[in-house]
Amino acid sequence: DAKTTQPPSMDCAEGRAANLPCNHSTISGNEYVYWYRQIHSQGPQYIIHGLKNNETNEMASLIITEDRKSSTLILPHATLRDTAVYYCIVRLSPTLMDSNYQLIWGAGTKLIIKP
Amino acid sequence: DVKVTQSSRYLVKRTGEKVFLECVQDMDHENMFWYRQDPGLGLRLIYFSYDVKMKEKGDIPEGYSVSREKKERFSLILESASTNQTSMYLCASSYSGTGKYEQYFGPGTRLTVT
Repeated sequence: DAKTTQPPSMDCAEGRAANLPCNHSTISGNEYVYWYRQIHSQGPQYIIHGLKNNETNEMASLIITEDRKSSTLILPHATLRDTAVYYCIVRLSPTLMDSNYQLIWGAGTKLIIKP
Repeated sequence: DVKVTQSSRYLVKRTGEKVFLECVQDMDHENMFWYRQDPGLGLRLIYFSYDVKMKEKGDIPEGYSVSREKKERFSLILESASTNQTSMYLCASSYSGTGKYEQYFGPGTRLTVT
């Protein structure tokens, strides 16, 4: 079973920041939070991941609460091409031994960017 | 850029046929994965491989087998296709050892078994 809870759908206006929440109240100390997205008719695409510090890359920012029980993915200036299903996933630390560890995928959040 | 390619985007097969789905990655990744994706069920792992000739069962291996004879190629085999194997099949690969676990996915193969 997925260890995360996400809203099934969200809308956001083009040009605005899209904030996608994720609850992972049972996360353990060595589990990372990963975000992927899947644009219609394509395979999933990695976005970002983090352990406890906030992270930012060219695609998005990840804000993790201090107790690590929830996180928010932020797309700072959403465009129509950001319309996709966004998946929040928790998994064990990606060490050499378990880098093949499977991801447990939930249903994700369908984000619709409106013009 | 990493590229993961799958042999077909769409495939229609008859019940009982043997079906081969091919996946090739061009980044020398050690790990390769096969998932299926169904509405309401998300992505479920069928098999994965962490090295040539090595394979591990995922959540739903029944009715499937895999082959990895070369590092860049991972094949999914449906020995005798059934209608409940109608699904979207996604292949992915990842690199071991960077500490950043990022799976790169192919575009998927939509298989219909009639």
